[in-house]
Amino acid sequence: QLQLQESGPGLVRPSETLSLTCTVSGVSITSRSSYWGWIRQPPGKALEWIGSIYYSGSTSFNPSLKSRVTIFLDTPKNQFSLKLNSVTAADTAVYYCARQPVGPTMADAFDVWGQGAMVIVSS
Amino acid sequence: SSELTQDPAVSVALGQTVRITCQGDSLRSYLASWYQQKPGQAPLLVIYGKNNRPSGISDRFSGSSSGNTVSLTIAGAQAEDEADYYCNSRDSSGNSVVFGGGTKLTVL
Repeated sequence: QLQLQESGPGLVRPSETLSLTCTVSGVSITSRSSYWGWIRQPPGKALEWIGSIYYSGSTSFNPSLKSRVTIFLDTPKNQFSLKLNSVTAADTAVYYCARQPVGPTMADAFDVWGQGAMVIVSS
Repeated sequence: SSELTQDPAVSVALGQTVRITCQGDSLRSYLASWYQQKPGQAPLLVIYGKNNRPSGISDRFSGSSSGNTVSLTIAGAQAEDEADYYCNSRDSSGNSVVFGGGTKLTVL
């Protein structure tokens, strides 16, 4: 059974770098059948796609965040990670990792999600 | 603001049918998906593509599309269907994933 679990600091200082890791169990992140994505949700607000990565390391990002975001794979640990630099209070949100199956009928759907990790940006 | 537009709130009487819509120019070219999110929980995929339900999702949930609008229909709404619903698809460039602003469904 596929499961995803986010981990990382719950508090980040303004101007510093937010770092989160998603541990995947039940399927290899080197599978060609999946992208792996990060989505966030500020308190009381809508979901926002941050970016996704493929087994090859190919990435795509939300244009509004692209200049501050890095997503990378750690294949021996079956993990993928997010780094968001120069954070401000506007980056306070629940951060989710999720699987995005490949396929013409999949409609960029995220079918399995982690439970989410709350990250607060504050001094 | 999102490239996918949803009504902020919709209500439905218990047992009735409700349609939640999502509009955007990109929907003329790209398929969409729908998620249910209850308070304090991660989103749950309920419909993807033209009208596909993941395993375990009730057949009371169905999807449809017309022009620049996709719709999620819930037949015989139940109290447990009360939640926020989000659509997602591609943006108009086709290079990015976008989510709608969400619709809060109240079951009366």
